[in-house]
Parts: sequence; C-alpha cells; structure tokens
Amino acid sequence: TQLLEQSPQFLSIQEGENLTVYCNSSSVFSSLQWYRQEPGEGPVLLVTVVTGGEVKKLKRLTFQFGDARKDSSLHITAAQTGDTGLYLCAGTGANNLFFGTGTRLTVIP
Amino acid sequence: ETGVTQTPRHLVMGMTNKKSLKCEQHLGHNAMYWYKQSAKKPLELMFVYNFKEQTENNSVPSRFSPECPNSSHLFLHLHTLQPEDSALYLCASSQLTYQETQYFGPGTRLLVL
Repeated sequence: TQLLEQSPQFLSIQEGENLTVYCNSSSVFSSLQWYRQEPGEGPVLLVTVVTGGEVKKLKRLTFQFGDARKDSSLHITAAQTGDTGLYLCAGTGANNLFFGTGTRLTVIP
Repeated sequence: ETGVTQTPRHLVMGMTNKKSLKCEQHLGHNAMYWYKQSAKKPLELMFVYNFKEQTENNSVPSRFSPECPNSSHLFLHLHTLQPEDSALYLCASSQLTYQETQYFGPGTRLLVL
C-alpha cells in the first residue's frame, strides 16, 4: 500500500494569513493531484502536477511537486473564508491511485 | 458543476435491509469508480469499472455488490450491512482510468442502524 500522509490534519487560521499544507510519501508517483472537498460535496480537482520540481499557481494557491516525486505542498496566500474545506492529495501510478489522509482547513473571518 | 449525480443523497437503513445507490455521469467518460469516505480515514477505492467491465475490486465485502449496465450508470447494491459501513459513498468518473482527472459526485451519506 502506498501511503500518503498529509499534515497538518487540522488547521484553523484567521482570514488574511498564509498557510502551507504538506503531502508526503515514501513512494514515487507519476503524478500528484490536489482536490478540495466542501461539506456535502465530492472532491473537486484543483491541480495536477507531473514533473519533479514543478510549481503551479492557481490565483492565491501555489502547488509544488517534490524533485523526487514523492511529496508535494500547497501554499495559500492571504486565506479567505471560501478556502475552508478538506484538502486531499492523490498520487497516481501506472495502475493505481491513492488518496492522502486529508487536511481540514478552517478560515475564520 | 461536476456532471456526476448520485441518488439518494442521504440513506438510513437497518442491517437487514436491501438498498441501492445510483450514480450517473453526463460527461461521456469510460471509467467509473465507487469510493468510501469514513471519518479519519483516507478515501478508499472500492470498485473500478472501465468500459462497463469491472477492473478492480479492492477486497470489498460481498455485502457490497456493484453493477455497471453502461458507461453512464453505476449502481452499488447494499444488503445486510453493518454499522461500521456507515460512511459517505462517492462515485467518480474519468475519461480513462487512474491517470485522468476524476470528477466526483456529491456522495450518498449512509447510516446503518
């Protein structure tokens, strides 16, 4: 089993603060995806990173794939209440897909 | 809007009941998935269908029985469930398996009494 551990498990911050969440594994993945899940809904894909060292930006969100393709981070600048949700990373291999344990983010107004 | 719908959204059932969850995707995808999401656990992949054929069954108990009559519809038949089966059951679809972006439905929140 390829385990993806996310940290922190829970994060509560004030609106306007910056934050980083992490997704770590001992396994190499061909790509890594980040999803956000809001209460009562299914996960929605935010980004897919494929190349080791790759950095992608989506407005205030910055995603980085580790050089060895074993880990990834998500940085949010100036968090907003709309960023509240469960953030999931998922690693893909040739014939499998593994989800991480999730980080539950709460942004307080 | 994900294009994947699930019914019912909420379900309460006794351990002796038989019920079915339904998933429909309007995206023209060829792969469909059932996942189980429990508190404090990673999302667990249960079944994968590719072009209507089951390609993966991740050691799921036989009290869960999937059915995929065509590429747009996926069912999960439930019978004699246990309280620990209470969870959010998510359906997803993708153009091809694994490597492609998965689009999730809103899930069915299941409570087994």
